[in-house]
Amino acid sequence: SQKIEQNSEALNIQEGKTATLTCNYTNYSPAYLQWYRQDPGRGPVFLLLIRENEKEKRKERLKVTFDTTLKQSLFHITASQPADSATYLCALDVNNAGNMLTFGGGTRLMVKP
Amino acid sequence: DAGITQSPRHKVTETGTPVTLRCHQTENHRYMYWYRQDPGHGLRLIHYSYGVKDTDKGEVSDGYSVSRSKTEDFLLTLESATSSQTSVYFCAISESKSPENIQYFGAGTRLSVL
Repeated sequence: SQKIEQNSEALNIQEGKTATLTCNYTNYSPAYLQWYRQDPGRGPVFLLLIRENEKEKRKERLKVTFDTTLKQSLFHITASQPADSATYLCALDVNNAGNMLTFGGGTRLMVKP
Repeated sequence: DAGITQSPRHKVTETGTPVTLRCHQTENHRYMYWYRQDPGHGLRLIHYSYGVKDTDKGEVSDGYSVSRSKTEDFLLTLESATSSQTSVYFCAISESKSPENIQYFGAGTRLSVL
């Protein structure tokens, strides 16, 4: 079956450390992968997009990698802050049709002061 | 929330009653989506629209219908609500089809079917 998997267990880290979240997928060959942030009681908010021909993408303290051989994306937050605490979702266009996204279940990140 | 308004924000209804949720956008984006979000399942696509009167099914469309008579409004209807449709419903919009299809989400509607 086709799946997008994120660690369903919460990730707890200390402030100032680097948080690393994983998104694994099977049976897809996506042209790009997206990461979203979701705070409690709110809708997801787009953070970053990485294309299949890009190994790494950065935005301020965020870094995303995309390994199409391993079928995996890693999402890093450096110098993490309590305000980074949220659920992070990855999403793929599984059909490469450009009109639909399929989301992973999300990983909750808790940054402790 | 990127010019997206969902209404109502909260609703409690009884099994068997019809329910309509509304999504209104002020961005003039072509694509609009309805998702449901449940613990253990994440976000799942119900229906989407690629233009006025143009809609298509998503992953979990059974028991739901949609309509889009104007660019700015996308309605989700539960013809006869069931307890399994208790969920948080999100509307999203997207300006373009390809390649990125970055989506912008509303604040959500929490629906309880008793």
